Amino acid sequence: AQTVTQSQPEMSVQEAETVTLSCTYDTSESDYYLFWYKQPPSRQMILVIRQEAYKQQNATENRFSVNFQKAAKSFSLKISDSQLGDAAMYFCAYRSDYNNNDMRFGAGTRLTVKP
Amino acid sequence: DTGVSQDPRHKITKRGQNVTFRCDPISEHNRLYWYRQTLGQGPEFLTYFQNEAQLEKSRLLSDRFSAERPKGSFSTLEIQRTEQGDSAMYLCASSSTTSGWGDTQYFGPGTRLTVL
Repeated sequence: AQTVTQSQPEMSVQEAETVTLSCTYDTSESDYYLFWYKQPPSRQMILVIRQEAYKQQNATENRFSVNFQKAAKSFSLKISDSQLGDAAMYFCAYRSDYNNNDMRFGAGTRLTVKP
Repeated sequence: DTGVSQDPRHKITKRGQNVTFRCDPISEHNRLYWYRQTLGQGPEFLTYFQNEAQLEKSRLLSDRFSAERPKGSFSTLEIQRTEQGDSAMYLCASSSTTSGWGDTQYFGPGTRLTVL
């Protein structure tokens, strides 16, 4: 079964600085999708960025970018120019292309942004 | 597109009572998912629907849990004879298989259940 591991329960970053959140996953499949979701306190989960496994180019969305290393099964999220509104729980998620109702989430990383 | 909505946002109940939650997906999304999230953890898949058909249920979904999506639009999740271990956030998500991008799931705000 696929598993997703986020090894950093908590991270902090100074406002305007850059932070990288780690995510690794375990799978024997070749086709899948990876996601980062953000969950602010008491607010709903929001999609931050997504990556298709067959694409070698790393996805970017404004200040958010990923470093996707398929061979290493690593999918880290980089947040540039961190803002106070970036403070949240960040969840990494894996979804199989063969059974696309089965989405597995990591345990999350709580990001604190210091002014 | 008003997003996924869930009702109620919070529910406090006594052990042994039945509770029902509602989820309204993004309009025209044909897939709807239920997840459970406990404190400090990521969401865990419970069940999902494609249109009105319930296609898969997790082993986490005990016999006390039942979900319906009668007309392929909104869905309800009912928990009978609630137990303290049922206390969690129940998340709903929806997606479209025709969106052209990997069936991305969009989440609602969740219903936080507290069983006393």
